[in-house]
Amino acid sequence: NAGVTQTPKFQVLKTGQSMTLQCAQDMNHNSMYWYRQDPGMGLRLIYYSASEGTTDKGEVPNGYNVSRLNKREFSLRLESAAPSQTSVYFCASSETGLNQPQHFGDGTRLSIL
Amino acid sequence: AQSVTQLDSHVSVSEGTPVLLRCNYSSSYSPSLFWYVQHPNKGLQLLLKYTSAATLVKGINGFEAEFKKSETSFHLTKPSAHMSDAAEYFCVVSDGRGYNKLIFGAGTRLAVHP
Repeated sequence: NAGVTQTPKFQVLKTGQSMTLQCAQDMNHNSMYWYRQDPGMGLRLIYYSASEGTTDKGEVPNGYNVSRLNKREFSLRLESAAPSQTSVYFCASSETGLNQPQHFGDGTRLSIL
Repeated sequence: AQSVTQLDSHVSVSEGTPVLLRCNYSSSYSPSLFWYVQHPNKGLQLLLKYTSAATLVKGINGFEAEFKKSETSFHLTKPSAHMSDAAEYFCVVSDGRGYNKLIFGAGTRLAVHP
């Protein structure tokens, strides 16, 4: 069972470079999410997509863009990477509706020098 | 606004002894609460979920949590720790409004010693 798949698993970028993180889910979920995880801060929501064709900002959207390519795929783009964006990025998906548990991928570990 | 506080950033136990990970929440209405576990270099896995049915919730791998409204707590317990339980644990509250927003605690790192 694949669940939520993220690529790449690791990436090192130089300041100013661009990068797209890919996420795909095979659970037929309508809702998808991008988080970043930093030490001692839990997970913070960057963007979410409640359904195909819609995207909205989360708690920390600055410096990021997203695309909901289809129901399965939700990508996160860094247009001009900054050292402050060094983090672990997680994609998640859930069924439609409130209070639904979210299912997470294994993360992308991104370092920006 | 909803929030969640995990009272211990690190907990260390011996194998075979009980585990207690503490979580307090703040919510202006009846919340949904979750515990997730994260093993090294892995994503978050759902342990259990509370959604106003039974106050004692049983999860995977022998974990359970009790919802106590009077104490605004949702502590995670396990009677006997196993080495494989070493991981980081997150208490999570659902915002319950608009989209399916989850609010994460800062996490508790559980170490299990032989």
